[in-house]
Amino acid sequence: SQTIHQWPATLVQPVGSPLSLECTVEGTSNPNLYWYRQAAGRGLQLLFYSVGIGQISSEVPQNLSASRPQDRQFILSSKKLLLSDSGFYLCAWNTEEGFADTQYFGPGTRLTVL
Amino acid sequence: ILNVEQSPQSLHVQEGDSTNFTCSFPSSNFYALHWYRWETAKSPEALFVMTLNGDEKKKGRISATLNTKEGYSYLYIKGSQPEDSATYLCAFVRGSGYSTLTFGKGTMLLVSP
Repeated sequence: SQTIHQWPATLVQPVGSPLSLECTVEGTSNPNLYWYRQAAGRGLQLLFYSVGIGQISSEVPQNLSASRPQDRQFILSSKKLLLSDSGFYLCAWNTEEGFADTQYFGPGTRLTVL
Repeated sequence: ILNVEQSPQSLHVQEGDSTNFTCSFPSSNFYALHWYRWETAKSPEALFVMTLNGDEKKKGRISATLNTKEGYSYLYIKGSQPEDSATYLCAFVRGSGYSTLTFGKGTMLLVSP
């Protein structure tokens, strides 16, 4: 069966510090991968998605970036965090039909920027 | 920015009550609509993906309908139980399926015993 992992589970970082969140999927090949964020009082916002290694699409321009160095690994990064980057970050995967297919979410990372 | 609205924002019902929520989305360029349930301290869990106007889907006591021409979907829960307490999210997919996906803010349901 397929499983999706995210780490860390929680993170407290100072403004201006770098960020690296990791997501890995097991039990499937060539998944579509997604990064979402839920900021306080807002809905889930799609940040990035990837249909293959090295292929990243950005939905929202900001100081975050994403990379997919391996088939089942998706990394969310920032060189300098802003207060507004605080939120709950979710990674998700699916196959084949892109956005029309059910997405399976990881456990999430709670990021607090102070 | 696509407008995906969910109502009500929150709902408190008693065990055994039936309830329903609404998801409103743009009626043009529809591709798919998702419903997810998000319980506290857990990951969002898929309920339904709906693609055709008039679609009706059912999973146990939960069902959903879709009207793409007028841009809304209803989620129904029959005989609510405390374990149904969660935030229910809808997500609208526009265009070709790889274009974009937009979530609503959700409806928070609390079912009291």
